[in-house]
Amino acid sequence: DGGITQSPKYLFRKEGQNVTLSCEQNLNHDAMYWYRQDPGQGLRLIYYSQIVNDFQKGDIAEGYSVSREKKESFPLTVTSAQKNPTAFYLCASSNPGRGSNQPQHFGDGTRLSIL
Amino acid sequence: AQSVTQPDIHITVSEGASLELRCNYSYGATPYLFWYVQSPGQGLQLLLKYFSGDTLVQGIKGFEAEFKRSQSSFNLRKPSVHWSDAAEYFCAVGFMEYGNKLVFGAGTILRVKS
Repeated sequence: DGGITQSPKYLFRKEGQNVTLSCEQNLNHDAMYWYRQDPGQGLRLIYYSQIVNDFQKGDIAEGYSVSREKKESFPLTVTSAQKNPTAFYLCASSNPGRGSNQPQHFGDGTRLSIL
Repeated sequence: AQSVTQPDIHITVSEGASLELRCNYSYGATPYLFWYVQSPGQGLQLLLKYFSGDTLVQGIKGFEAEFKRSQSSFNLRKPSVHWSDAAEYFCAVGFMEYGNKLVFGAGTILRVKS
C-alpha cells in the first residue's frame, strides 16, 4: 500500500545536539512538507519542497534544515539552534501537478522530546 | 494575511447526538477547503474536501460539510455521533496563489459522552 513513513516514532535530543527525522513516501508525489504541531496551535509549516533539489522555508524555519535529494525522501534536521524543539512533527506529501487543490497526505508523526 | 479560525477548542456531545464543528476563513476569493481528523499520537486523515461546485460535500465516516461563501465558513456536520468519533478535527484552507500550501486552524477536540 502507498503511504508516508516517518521514523522514529519517538526521539530524544540532548542539549546542543542535532537530530534528523526521516520521512519517506511511495505515493510518487512531487511535493513534500514538514509541520510542527504544538497543543492548541494547529499545524505550522516548517519547510516544503515542490520538486527534487529545491525547497522553501515555511512560517517557522529557524533552527531547522532539510534536504530533498530524492523524490521519495525529505529528511528534517532539528539543529541545536532550535531552542524549543519539543513537539510532534508531521510530514506530508501531495501531487500539485494535478492542480493546486490536491489534498495533502500525512505520515503518523515523530514525537521529539528534550532529555 | 490568510487565516483560519476554529472558534471551539473543545466540544462535548452525547453519543447519538448531532455534531457541528465550525470553521471560518479570511480570504478574498474562494479557497480550497479541507477537514482532517487526528486520533491521539497519529497523523491526519482527510475527511472531505471542497474545490468547487455543489456546496454540500460528503466525506468518509458519515461526515459532511457545507461551504457558505457569504459567511466564509465551512462547517463540518454529522447527524449521529459515535464514540469512535472522539478525536481532534482540523479545518485547512488552500489558496491558489499560495501554491499547494495549506493554512490550518488550531483544531477542535471532540469528546463523546456515552
